[in-house]
Formats: sequence, C-alpha cells, structure tokens
Amino acid sequence: KQEVTQIPAALSVPEGENLVLNCSFTDSAIYNLQWFRQDPGKGLTSLLLIQSSQREQTSGRLNASLDKSSGRSTLYIAASQPGDSATYLCAVRPGRGSQGNLIFGKGTKLSVKP
Amino acid sequence: GAVVSQHPSRVICKSGTSVKIECRSLDFQATTMFWYRQFPKQSLMLMATSNEGSKATYEQGVEKDKFLINHASLTLSTLTVTSAHPEDSSFYICSAMDGYSNQPQHFGDGTRLSIL
Repeated sequence: KQEVTQIPAALSVPEGENLVLNCSFTDSAIYNLQWFRQDPGKGLTSLLLIQSSQREQTSGRLNASLDKSSGRSTLYIAASQPGDSATYLCAVRPGRGSQGNLIFGKGTKLSVKP
Repeated sequence: GAVVSQHPSRVICKSGTSVKIECRSLDFQATTMFWYRQFPKQSLMLMATSNEGSKATYEQGVEKDKFLINHASLTLSTLTVTSAHPEDSSFYICSAMDGYSNQPQHFGDGTRLSIL
C-alpha cells in the first residue's frame, strides 16, 4: 500500500531564506507526483507536476525534484516571502496510467516571517 | 491556466436539509472528477471518483446513498449531501482531471459545510 510522508510537519523561517520541503513515498511505481499549496480554508493550488520519467520541474522560485528509485521528492523554494506561508502538500499518483487516485501526504505547514 | 470552480463556498443549514455542491471545469474537459473531504488539520480524504456519464465509484466507508454524485457532462459534477446531520459538517473539495492529457489534477476552492 502506497504511503506518502512529508517532513517536517511544520517549518518557520525568516523572509529571504531558501528552504527545502521533503516528501517520501513507499512504492516507487508511480505515474506522476504533484506538489500543491493550500491556504487556510481554501482548496488546493497545483504548483508543479513531475511525470515519472522526469527528474525535476521548475516554476519561478519553485523547483521540485523526483528520485523515483529512492521514493523521494523535494520542493525547493528560493528567496522565501511571507506570501509563501501556506501548507504544502505532496501527492503521488500510483500505477502506470492516469487512472490511479492521488495519495496525499499530510503536508508541511510553512510560515515565513517578515 | 485550467480552473475548477466550486460553489457554494460556504453553507450553513439545519439538520435534515439536503445540500448540493457544484463543481465545474472552466477551460478543459474533465473526464474524471473527484470529491474529497478534509477534517481540520488533516489531509484530504477521497470520497468518490466519477467519470463522465458513469456511476461514481465510492471509497470504502462512504455511503453512496448519503453522498449522491452526478457527473452528467464533461464540465460539471455535483455532490448532494442528503438529509445532512451535524457529523457531516466538514470541508468538501472537488477536483477535476483530463485523463487523456498529462496535465495536473486541479482543485476547486472547497465548500465549508456547517450543519446546525
């Protein structure tokens, strides 16, 4: 059974710092991996999608890497800003096709202090 | 980019009321739609998956007669919470995906349901 773990559960950093959020999954047979952001009381905003054949994806100050064989992904946030404060969720889609349902980690709650 | 619109964002109603939540994909065809429930400080729990024109597939422990799902078109799915009770109070989030593309799965902004 696929399980997704995110470490740390919470993180507080001063503005301007670079930071790394970690995600691990127990079964390397995944179709893709997606990172999301969730603001309090809101839905999820998709940040980055990495297909199983890819090693990383970048969008602005965000960079996500994927090491499928070791069951790990990291989300790197450069030059953090108070507006980055949110809960970041990692989710994997298991299997070989798009039919599998996303399996979520419990998230990392990030607080960026001005 | 792709957007999923979910309405209403907040519902407060009396016990015994049925509540309908709408989920629309605005600029892509959603071959598959998902309904999640989220409790405070918890991650998302998948309730059911629906493909356009087919009956929804419910996760174990989710009552299909309680949570009615309709996915009548490629852009609209509805979740009806029938005869809602206080224990149904939660944050419900819909999601949509085009299963024929490699695009991300997109989520709505959620509906906060409070049953008095």
